[in-house]
Amino acid sequence: KQEVTQIPAALSVPEGENLVLNCSFTDSAIYNLQWFRQDPGKGLTSLLLIQSSQREQTSGRLNASLDKSSGRSTLYIAASQPGDSATYLCAIPKGNAGNMLTFGGGTRLMVKP
Amino acid sequence: DTGVSQDPRHKITKRGQNVTFRCDPISEHNRLYWYRQTLGQGPEFLTYFQNEAQLEKSRLLSDRFSAERPKGSFSTLEIQRTEQGDSAMYLCASSLLAGAEQYFGPGTRLTVT
Repeated sequence: KQEVTQIPAALSVPEGENLVLNCSFTDSAIYNLQWFRQDPGKGLTSLLLIQSSQREQTSGRLNASLDKSSGRSTLYIAASQPGDSATYLCAIPKGNAGNMLTFGGGTRLMVKP
Repeated sequence: DTGVSQDPRHKITKRGQNVTFRCDPISEHNRLYWYRQTLGQGPEFLTYFQNEAQLEKSRLLSDRFSAERPKGSFSTLEIQRTEQGDSAMYLCASSLLAGAEQYFGPGTRLTVT
């Protein structure tokens, strides 16, 4: 059974800092990995999807990396802004074809002005 | 199409009452997923549909829960005889293919008093 862990559970940084969020998983036979952002009381916004054959995926100030052999993914946020404050979740689909997502518990990020 | 929509956004009900939620996926997406999220946790998978067929159900989906997608478009999730433990955010997502990026709706916040 796939288990997904995100550490730390909460992070507070000053504006402008570059930061890294971590996601670890127990079963390295993954199809892809998706990073989401969730604002308080809201639904999830997809940020990046990184396929199992990829090592990195970039969108604007965000860069996601994937290392299947070590069971890790990182989400790098460059030049953080107060508007980046949210909970960040990583998720992995079950099985080869990928259907249901298994989520980590999330990292709650606060970027202080 | 503006994305996945869910209705209602908030529902307050008394213990023992039945509630029904609706999800409208992105129009060309044939896969539809339901998740439940409690405060401070990542979402947990409940069930998913490919077109009108319900292909997988989680053990979390007790016999008080039923989901339908009658014409392969919108879906409903009904909870009968609600309990306080059912209080959560119910999230719907859709995707074009198995393993493709999942897009989430804004969620329905259920409070059982």
